[in-house]
Amino acid sequence: EDQVTQSPEALRLQEGESSSLNCSYTVSGLRGLFWYRQDPGKGPEFLFTLYSAGEEKEKERLKATLTKKESFLHITAPKPEDSATYLCAVYTNAGKSTFGDGTTLTVKP
Amino acid sequence: EPEVTQTPSHQVTQMGQEVILRCVPISNHLYFYWYRQILGQKVEFLVSFYNNEISEKSEIFDDQFSVERPDGSNFTLKIRSTKLEDSAMYFCASKTGGQNEKLFFGSGTQLSVL
Repeated sequence: EDQVTQSPEALRLQEGESSSLNCSYTVSGLRGLFWYRQDPGKGPEFLFTLYSAGEEKEKERLKATLTKKESFLHITAPKPEDSATYLCAVYTNAGKSTFGDGTTLTVKP
Repeated sequence: EPEVTQTPSHQVTQMGQEVILRCVPISNHLYFYWYRQILGQKVEFLVSFYNNEISEKSEIFDDQFSVERPDGSNFTLKIRSTKLEDSAMYFCASKTGGQNEKLFFGSGTQLSVL
């Protein structure tokens, strides 16, 4: 059974304090790993797709990396507007997707 | 930027009633999905739809659920006889397909079964 585990559950940072979110996965036939941002009452908003180990993608203060067992979302010098729940999801060759529980990030000014 | 539109934003129904949740995917997209998120829990895959048929479905998507693309623009999720445990936020999503795996989500329909 495909499994996705995100840690920590919640993360509180001061503005400017860099950190990383973790997504560990166990799947058969990984087709892609996705990072989404979800604001309260809204649908997930796509951030990145990573397809193979060693791949990295960046967007503004966010950088996603992938290994064969986990992915990290690094947040550099976060701002309060980065506060949201960050979701990791895996998409398999079987055509199904499995989401993690998410990490709720709060950035204090 | 084009977006996935879902209506209504909130639906309240009595247990045992049928509900239809509506979605208008982005116009040039070919792959369509329904997900649900029970309050405080993870987003769960329900079903994917391509070329006018279901391509994958999860264990949640039992005989009480059905999907339809009745015309060129709408994509609907029907629950025939709602249960209390169907209360959740239901998200529709779509993508162009192929190597482009970027999935666009709607804002969701909050279904409350009383």
